[in-house]
This record gives sequence, C-alpha cells and structure tokens, in this order.
Amino acid sequence: GEDVEQSLFLSVREGDSSVINCTYTDSSSTYLYWYKQEPGAGLQLLTYIFSNMDMKQDQRLTVLLNKKDKHLSLRIADTQTGDSAIYFCAEGKYNNNDMRFGAGTRLTVKP
Amino acid sequence: DVKVTQSSRYLVKRTGEKVFLECVQDMDHENMFWYRQDPGLGLRLIYFSYDVKMKEKGDIPEGYSVSREKKERFSLILESASTNQTSMYLCASSHFARRGGTEAFFGQGTRLTVV
Repeated sequence: GEDVEQSLFLSVREGDSSVINCTYTDSSSTYLYWYKQEPGAGLQLLTYIFSNMDMKQDQRLTVLLNKKDKHLSLRIADTQTGDSAIYFCAEGKYNNNDMRFGAGTRLTVKP
Repeated sequence: DVKVTQSSRYLVKRTGEKVFLECVQDMDHENMFWYRQDPGLGLRLIYFSYDVKMKEKGDIPEGYSVSREKKERFSLILESASTNQTSMYLCASSHFARRGGTEAFFGQGTRLTVV
C-alpha cells in the first residue's frame, strides 16, 4: 500500500492561502519534505521538517506536522500564479537516505 | 550549482528493445536514485545506489536493472522494453547523511515511450 498520501488537485484564487495536506503511515519517518515540480522540470526541494518539530516557517511557506496523526501540511500564503505546480510530500528515515513520495498535488492558481 | 543531467529528454523505443537511461551528477554525491513518475501515482522508487557498485531495490524494480560503475554515473536499464514501461523517468542524487535530512537534486526527466 501507499506510504504517503495526498489529494491530487487543489485550486485557489490568486492572493488566497493554499493548504496542501499529506498523510504518512510510517511512524519511524524522521524527515518530511515538500518538493515542487514546475511544468517540464524536475523536482526542487521547498522545505523539510524534522519529526521532532511541530512547525517550520520560511517566508510565505508554513509547514505543520502532527506526528500523532501522521499528518503534514504545507501552507502557502498570498498564493501567486507562479506557485502553480505539482507539490510532492516525501518521507525519509534516520540513517536511511532513500525517500518515498506521495502522488503529488497539482495546485492551480486562478487570477 | 548542483547539476543532475539525464542523457535524453525524450526517447521512443520498440517493444523488446534493450534501453539505457543515463544519469550524471557533478557534485560528488554518494546517493543516486531512479524514479518513475506516472499520473496519479507520483514518484515510485525503482532502484537506488549509495556507493559505487552498490544498489538497492526500490518499490518497483521488476523489469529494470541498474549499473553504478563510477560515482558520478547511474544507469537504468530496461532489459526488454514493454509498453507498460512508458513513463517519465527521473534521476536524483544526494549526499549521504548519517542522520537523514538530505536534499535530493533531480534531473529534468526522460520521457520514454515504448511502442
């Protein structure tokens, strides 16, 4: 079964906040990542959070982690059309450098 | 800048052909990965390597093999291509980090079509 789950689509209006959600099943995951994929490009790391943190903020991005529920979210404030992309949640483990990705959430920002 | 380069952006191959997808990174990364990306399924790990000549199976290794003869190069091999291997293939690399939390850098992908 899937280790990491995300909804496939999200549509917001420019200027609104976007919240992309992710759930994972493996409680031994120690790092959780958000990657962004723009059309025709590879993935780029946006941010990551260590599992002993609840929240991490970086400019317009806020990551929230609920370890008890194994739920991760990415909030993008003041969403812009340039934020339109596919966002992937991924999990990684201590002392193991491979990662498992979710299916990706396609964010569409309407003007 | 880290660069991960995949040899082809687009490939069209016939069923039964042997196919080589090449990936080269220039940052002396220990780890290298091959994923395939399909709509609705996201990225699925095929194989990864954490050192020269070392390889580990990912979630979907069937029908694929890999080769890591040099640190900077990781090849994905389709021994006998089939139509269900039509997909986008992504290569990635990262430094080995004993405690995890390592950033992976991705190539732009190779879109393979098997006819």
